[in-house]
Amino acid sequence: NAGVMQNPRHLVRRRGQEARLRCSPMKGHSHVYWYRQLPEEGLKFMVYLQKENIIDESGMPKERFSAEFPKEGPSILRIQQVVRGDSAAYFCASSLGRNQPQHFGDGTRLSIL
Amino acid sequence: AQSVTQLGSHVSVSEGALVLLRCNYSSSVPPYLFWYVQYPNQGLQLLLKYTSAATLVKGINGFEAEFKKSETSFHLTKPSAHMSDAAEYFCAVSENFGNEKLTFGTGTRLTIIP
Repeated sequence: NAGVMQNPRHLVRRRGQEARLRCSPMKGHSHVYWYRQLPEEGLKFMVYLQKENIIDESGMPKERFSAEFPKEGPSILRIQQVVRGDSAAYFCASSLGRNQPQHFGDGTRLSIL
Repeated sequence: AQSVTQLGSHVSVSEGALVLLRCNYSSSVPPYLFWYVQYPNQGLQLLLKYTSAATLVKGINGFEAEFKKSETSFHLTKPSAHMSDAAEYFCAVSENFGNEKLTFGTGTRLTIIP
């Protein structure tokens, strides 16, 4: 499968725990984007990264959320001390470059108990 | 700031009938416009994109969209609906000059009536 790979597909956490969401971009893609989709809503931009750099994090909540895209390995979206309101589907997309179409993964559905 | 409005959160059409999904945008610069489709429990799949070339854009699965600057619209159409078209459709906008983040509409759920 040469598409964007996200894991896990489903993640259950209790309030106060940490959630780590992983995204492996398509082969050859060095641009990664994270979006969040709340029930019955469209996707909301969170952060845009290139290898080892955060380019635009204007959609990231100020606290508890962080993202990285290291030189080696997948991009990670980390949510610390999760709360019920973090329950959502988190989608990763990748692209070849700026202003190139974004290709989406199947998402990680995060449920907070 | 850019924004997208999708009129009609739910649209139902009969199999074989015309599909029309509406999208209006707001952008301070010439936009890039996209339509994505989402099947249950899956990610978004790009249907088509407008990037200031031809105003009538043809996409996959028989869909097309027309960019109308005067109406700030980018409506999605398909001449004849198929059962497999049942899904959620999202219109998105991205401004030029390096602003890569997509701004999505709230989506339109398309139901096909046999």
